[in-house]
Amino acid sequence: EAQVTQNPRYLITVTGKKLTVTCSQNMNHEYMSWYRQDPGLGLRQIYYSMNVEVTDKGDVPEGYKVSRKEKRNFPLILESPSPNQTSLYFCASTREGEKLFFGSGTQLSVL
Amino acid sequence: RKEVEQDPGPFNVPEGATVAFNCTYSNSASQSFFWYRQDCRKEPKLLMSVYSSGNEDGRFTAQLNRASQYISLLIRDSKLSDSATYLCVVNGGGYNKLIFGAGTRLAVHP
Repeated sequence: EAQVTQNPRYLITVTGKKLTVTCSQNMNHEYMSWYRQDPGLGLRQIYYSMNVEVTDKGDVPEGYKVSRKEKRNFPLILESPSPNQTSLYFCASTREGEKLFFGSGTQLSVL
Repeated sequence: RKEVEQDPGPFNVPEGATVAFNCTYSNSASQSFFWYRQDCRKEPKLLMSVYSSGNEDGRFTAQLNRASQYISLLIRDSKLSDSATYLCVVNGGGYNKLIFGAGTRLAVHP
């Protein structure tokens, strides 16, 4: 089944404790992206990647890192999480001409 | 001004009603337009693309007005299962640059 797998589904952590949210897709998509969703603001793009070893900042990259060492994986790294990074996060993938496939989301709470 | 703006709602309608949402966008160079549906705290799913000539998919009709820079979604004969948030999505330049509206919430009641 074609899918984007995102883990964990829920995560509660404390300020400053490094964390990684994983994202993996099995559709051989070149393009992958991370979004955060906050009430009243819609989905905002954090980082995206057009292919292996190619990543670019989205609209709200501060406080986040990503890597794309393999085509299928695109982890989101928070080196030192802060409470303002409490949000609902989505990973997505696609290729040109196709729709966006989303992961099921990660609800992150930073205390 | 936000790049993509939607009325947040909620739109509370009875079953069987017809309801319409509008969405305005600021970038006149935008080329692709979509409506996504999102159920509470779940991932967005593509409802339909919006074509220049307008398009219909069952009870759903999407329209694009380039002159006024807005797109619309019309839902006829609303069902309880249509209750969700509808996200307007505009391509801001390349398939990698999709800009999401904050969404319009629809609640269909018996």
